[in-house]
Amino acid sequence: RKEVEQDPGPFNVPEGATVAFNCTYSNSASQSFFWYRQDCRKEPKLLMSVYSSGNEDGRFTAQLNRASQYISLLIRDSKLSDSATYLCVVLPAPDKLIFGTGTRLQVFP
Amino acid sequence: DAGITQSPRHKVTETGTPVTLRCHQTENHRYMYWYRQDPGHGLRLIHYSYGVKDTDKGEVSDGYSVSRSKTEDFLLTLESATSSQTSVYFCAISESRQGTDTQYFGPGTRLTVL
Repeated sequence: RKEVEQDPGPFNVPEGATVAFNCTYSNSASQSFFWYRQDCRKEPKLLMSVYSSGNEDGRFTAQLNRASQYISLLIRDSKLSDSATYLCVVLPAPDKLIFGTGTRLQVFP
Repeated sequence: DAGITQSPRHKVTETGTPVTLRCHQTENHRYMYWYRQDPGHGLRLIHYSYGVKDTDKGEVSDGYSVSRSKTEDFLLTLESATSSQTSVYFCAISESRQGTDTQYFGPGTRLTVL
């Protein structure tokens, strides 16, 4: 079993839609969680950290479910500019950041 | 955007030749990392540095070496390139340890080994 697993997608959604991605992780001792965004042929960039209590940044909401060992990312009112690959990132041990393979989102007009 | 540059941005080389990739930062961050990204795999850590002359191996370090003689520069060397090292290489920096601080990535180097 991979340490971090994501549905590769693509998720094709119309503008204005709400879309959610999940990411599962295998190590229950994982302490830190992040979502990164990567545009095609570009570098990854931090989208948001994921806190135990859940957190929101504008149209983006991240949740952590420790019992089921998954994190989620919800995007409301999707924009064309949200089209990208979203990487789930987990820290199961110090200095051991694990990146998921990413979920591709395509928003169409 | 964080001040990170990578050079070269693209390189095609032949099996058996040595290759050095350079990462340069202007942020004075202590930690620097080299990752590779391949289809079907997440970003995988090759080596990292936690200070000048202080480096350690990552998950996929075989066939790679690194050096950090100045805070701003982190070099990745493939002593004898193989086709399995064809990949996109990203450098990253952070102020503190992995997972405790944002990692900022460079633009990447596309390496093709024929």
